[in-house]
Amino acid sequence: DTGVSQDPRHKITKRGQNVTFRCDPISEHNRLYWYRQTLGQGPEFLTYFQNEAQLEKSRLLSDRFSAERPKGSFSTLEIQRTEQGDSAMYLCASSFGGTFGGINEKLFFGSGTQLSVL
Amino acid sequence: DQQVKQNSPSLSVQEGRISILNCDYTNSMFDYFLWYKKYPAEGPTFLISISSIKDKNEDGRFTVFLNKSAKHLSLHIVPSQPGDSAVYFCAASQYSGGGADGLTFGKGTHLIIQP
Repeated sequence: DTGVSQDPRHKITKRGQNVTFRCDPISEHNRLYWYRQTLGQGPEFLTYFQNEAQLEKSRLLSDRFSAERPKGSFSTLEIQRTEQGDSAMYLCASSFGGTFGGINEKLFFGSGTQLSVL
Repeated sequence: DQQVKQNSPSLSVQEGRISILNCDYTNSMFDYFLWYKKYPAEGPTFLISISSIKDKNEDGRFTVFLNKSAKHLSLHIVPSQPGDSAVYFCAASQYSGGGADGLTFGKGTHLIIQP
């Protein structure tokens, strides 16, 4: 079991630059989630994929953020024109769930990508 | 508006004693609750969960209690061990919602087990 893998672990960028993060979920998992965590807060839901379909996006996800999961396997999260307020830990999680019904199964998280925007 | 609240940012407990971590929620639509544990520089790991049709779920040293009328749940760790020192997050979701708003997390409680 290789677990959920995220790359890079750390990213330092200048304000206004674009950044892209990658997540490789557990191979048999059909669901993939992106969360963001800032200091002193719990993880906040950003978006969710079931296979390659992006089914939900939080209102936290501004139009500078875009996520893809082109073949239903790995996913990328891109932030365009980064701002200092984007500095956070970006967590990816995966799970195996049925086609219908809500999301309640336990999630397996990666170690996250720590983004610092200078 | 925080829908899941963990009002104790930190908790210190002596090794071998019971640790009790508390969580309150405001959204009556939540019907599934989970606890995650997080070590520094790692992602959260699932610990234990409970459905709203139950009031207790036990797994080894960990027990979660749910009081729906009070919208309160608690995690009991007995006996507490040094490896339990971590940040514990309470999370909630709507199983029957059909949508995927994801899990709603509290801010976490930092549990410190003293030798």
